Amino acid sequence: TQLLEQSPQFLSIQEGENLTVYCNSSSVFSSLQWYRQEPGEGPVLLVTVVTGGEVKKLKRLTFQFGDARKDSSLHITAAQPGDTGLYLCADNNAGNMLTFGGGTRLMVKP
Amino acid sequence: NAGVTQTPKFQVLKTGQSMTLQCAQDMNHEYMSWYRQDPGMGLRLIHYSVGAGITDQGEVPNGYNVSRSTTEDFPLRLLSAAPSQTSVYFCASTDGISGNTIYFGEGSWLTVV
Repeated sequence: TQLLEQSPQFLSIQEGENLTVYCNSSSVFSSLQWYRQEPGEGPVLLVTVVTGGEVKKLKRLTFQFGDARKDSSLHITAAQPGDTGLYLCADNNAGNMLTFGGGTRLMVKP
Repeated sequence: NAGVTQTPKFQVLKTGQSMTLQCAQDMNHEYMSWYRQDPGMGLRLIHYSVGAGITDQGEVPNGYNVSRSTTEDFPLRLLSAAPSQTSVYFCASTDGISGNTIYFGEGSWLTVV
């Protein structure tokens, strides 16, 4: 059974600070996805990465996929209160079956 | 475009009662699934379907039944509710291509007392 560990579990920072959260898998990812979930809503897909060493940028968010395809990081530059939420990494291994990590809960204070 | 619609939004059940959580999608997706999310945790797969008439178990299927009679609908049935089933339930759908976007509903908050 694949296990995904995310760290840190909680992160509280001031607006304007940078941060990095991590996702580590016990086995190679099929297709790594990062989601953000806001209170009272379902997860929303941020990015999908497939190739080892891949780097993707989405405005102030930078996603890195490890060369061995077992780890990933999400870096946010100049965090804003609108970035507050639960960040989840997941392995999408059959187009429909997602294995999720426990998430990093981020709070950005104004 | 409604996307994935779940009902009810909130429900309180007594131990031993049964109920059905409804899920409908209007994107003609073949793949649908149900997840549960416990406080402070990620989502865990309960059941999934790759098309009408086809269902299979996920990571935590015990105590739940599903059926898929149409492409649009994928109801989740709790047979005899237990306090351990208190959770937030999310329905999701996708066209099934690995790495493609999975769309989630807004969730159904279930409390079993």
